[in-house]
Amino acid sequence: KQEVTQIPAALSVPEGENLVLNCSFTDSAIYNLQWFRQDPGKGLTSLLLIQSSQREQTSGRLNASLDKSSGRSTLYIAASQPGDSATYLCVAAGNKLTFGGGTRVLVKP
Amino acid sequence: KAGVTQTPRYLIKTRGQQVTLSCSPISGHRSVSWYQQTPGQGLQFLFEYFSETQRNKGNFPGRFSGRQFSNSRSEMNVSTLELGDSALYLCASSLTGGGILNEQYFGPGTRLTVT
Repeated sequence: KQEVTQIPAALSVPEGENLVLNCSFTDSAIYNLQWFRQDPGKGLTSLLLIQSSQREQTSGRLNASLDKSSGRSTLYIAASQPGDSATYLCVAAGNKLTFGGGTRVLVKP
Repeated sequence: KAGVTQTPRYLIKTRGQQVTLSCSPISGHRSVSWYQQTPGQGLQFLFEYFSETQRNKGNFPGRFSGRQFSNSRSEMNVSTLELGDSALYLCASSLTGGGILNEQYFGPGTRLTVT
């Protein structure tokens, strides 16, 4: 059974600092791994999707890496801004989607 | 291109009642999945529909059911509501050939409160 863990559960950083969010999964038989952000009480916004054959994906200030052998994915957010404050979820797609518990990020001005 | 829409956005029901939630996927998407999000359990998978057929199902009781129409719109029904069913219900759509293989696009959710 796939288990997805995100550490830390919460993170607070000053504006401008780089963010590093970790996601680990127990079953490496995944099709892809996707990162989302969720704002309080709202739905999920897709940030990056990494196919199982890929090692990383980049979009603007965001970069996500995938290491299937170690069961890890890392989301990097460069030069954080207060608008980056949200909960970030990683989702492993195997036979079904398995969600991590999320990392709640607060970027202080 | 319009995103995933869910109606209603907010709903208040009492215990024992039943409720139906609706989800319209992005045009051209044939897979719709439903999720329940609560503070205690996080995001949990309910079921996935593809071409009007339930393809995957999570570990929820039979009170939770769904269906998908020929236009890919999907409904989720919860019967005999319990207080613990209070949650944000999210639906996600993806393109074709299997929801898990493609990027998921989520709707804004329906906030259900059971009193």
